[in-house]
Amino acid sequence: EDQVTQSPEALRLQEGESSSLNCSYTVSGLRGLFWYRQDPGKGPEFLFTLYSAGEEKEKERLKATLTKKESFLHITAPKPEDSATYLCAVQARGYQKVTFGTGTKLQVIP
Amino acid sequence: GAVVSQHPSRVICKSGTSVKIECRSLDFQATTMFWYRQFPKQSLMLMATSNEGSKATYEQGVEKDKFLINHASLTLSTLTVTSAHPEDSSFYICSARPSGGTLGDTQYFGPGTRLTVL
Repeated sequence: EDQVTQSPEALRLQEGESSSLNCSYTVSGLRGLFWYRQDPGKGPEFLFTLYSAGEEKEKERLKATLTKKESFLHITAPKPEDSATYLCAVQARGYQKVTFGTGTKLQVIP
Repeated sequence: GAVVSQHPSRVICKSGTSVKIECRSLDFQATTMFWYRQFPKQSLMLMATSNEGSKATYEQGVEKDKFLINHASLTLSTLTVTSAHPEDSSFYICSARPSGGTLGDTQYFGPGTRLTVL
């Protein structure tokens, strides 16, 4: 069974203090790994899709990387508006559904 | 691009009534749509996968007679909660996966529907 574990559960950063969120996964043949951002009371907002180990993607202050066992979401010089829950999910090859982790709740303090 | 809408965003109903939630992909076609449920401070729980023109595939423990899913077109899926009870109160979120093109395998989520059953 596919598993996704995210750490830490919660993270509090000062504005400008860079850090990384971790997503460890086990899957029987990775089709794709997805990062989403979710604000309270809203649906998840798509950030990145990674397909193979060594792949990296960037968007503004966020950079996602992928190895065969884990993915990192690096946040550089975060701002208060980056405060949200970040969700990681994996999809196995040959299957339609994705398995979500429980998320990392990020709070960026001015 | 890749916008998904849900309607209504919020609904309050009496116990025993049925509630229908619509999920639309606005700027792409989606052969596959998904319905999730999310409890406070918890992650997304997949309820069912629906493919256009086919019967939905429900996850273990989800009552198919209670949560009716219809995916009648490539841009619309509906979830009907039949004979709703207070324990059905939750945040329901749909997602859609584009049918081919450059958007790949990514699911795009709607804004969610908050259901409160009194």
